[in-house]
Amino acid sequence: AQSVAQPEDQVNVAEGNPLTVKCTYSVSGNPYLFWYVQYPNRGLQFLLKYITGDNLVKGSYGFEAEFNKSQTSFHLKKPSALVSDSALYFCAVRDPDAAGNMLTFGGGTRLMVKP
Amino acid sequence: EPEVTQTPSHQVTQMGQEVILRCVPISNHLYFYWYRQILGQKVEFLVSFYNNEISEKSEIFDDQFSVERPDGSNFTLKIRSTKLEDSAMYFCASSRRQTTDTQYFGPGTRLTVL
Repeated sequence: AQSVAQPEDQVNVAEGNPLTVKCTYSVSGNPYLFWYVQYPNRGLQFLLKYITGDNLVKGSYGFEAEFNKSQTSFHLKKPSALVSDSALYFCAVRDPDAAGNMLTFGGGTRLMVKP
Repeated sequence: EPEVTQTPSHQVTQMGQEVILRCVPISNHLYFYWYRQILGQKVEFLVSFYNNEISEKSEIFDDQFSVERPDGSNFTLKIRSTKLEDSAMYFCASSRRQTTDTQYFGPGTRLTVL
């Protein structure tokens, strides 16, 4: 079975400071990992994904994430936070050996960026 | 940029009634999904659909639920007899292929069962 943990319900950061949103996963094989962002009353917007290759992946809006196999982590990062980055962030994992392409999501982390 | 669309944005129904939630996936996508998010909880997988049949379903997706692709563009989720605990945001998603492609989500339908 696959699972995702986002250990922080909320992350607070000042505008201009770097941000990190943590994610750890559990999957039987090599994982496919995703980050999505949800703004109020909106759907999930894709930010970035790791499939294979370079452990550092870059995505939309200046976000990046680092895949760390030994620590089973896929933390989301941004060098300089913006107030407009305030939203709910979800990490998701898919086991490529499983049928159906199911994504398993973490519980979400609310990012609050203060001016 | 193509988007997944969903209608209605909000549906209110009485317990025991049937509801149909509609989705129009991105046009060249082949895989379709439904997820739900109960208020304050995580997003949960319901079902995936490919080549006119269910490819995987979760334990949530019991006999009260069904999915259909009635024509070349729509993808629907039917709940036969709604329960209070079915109140949630329902997201449709689509992807091009099964393997590495991203699932793109619609804006959701908020279902309220009274």
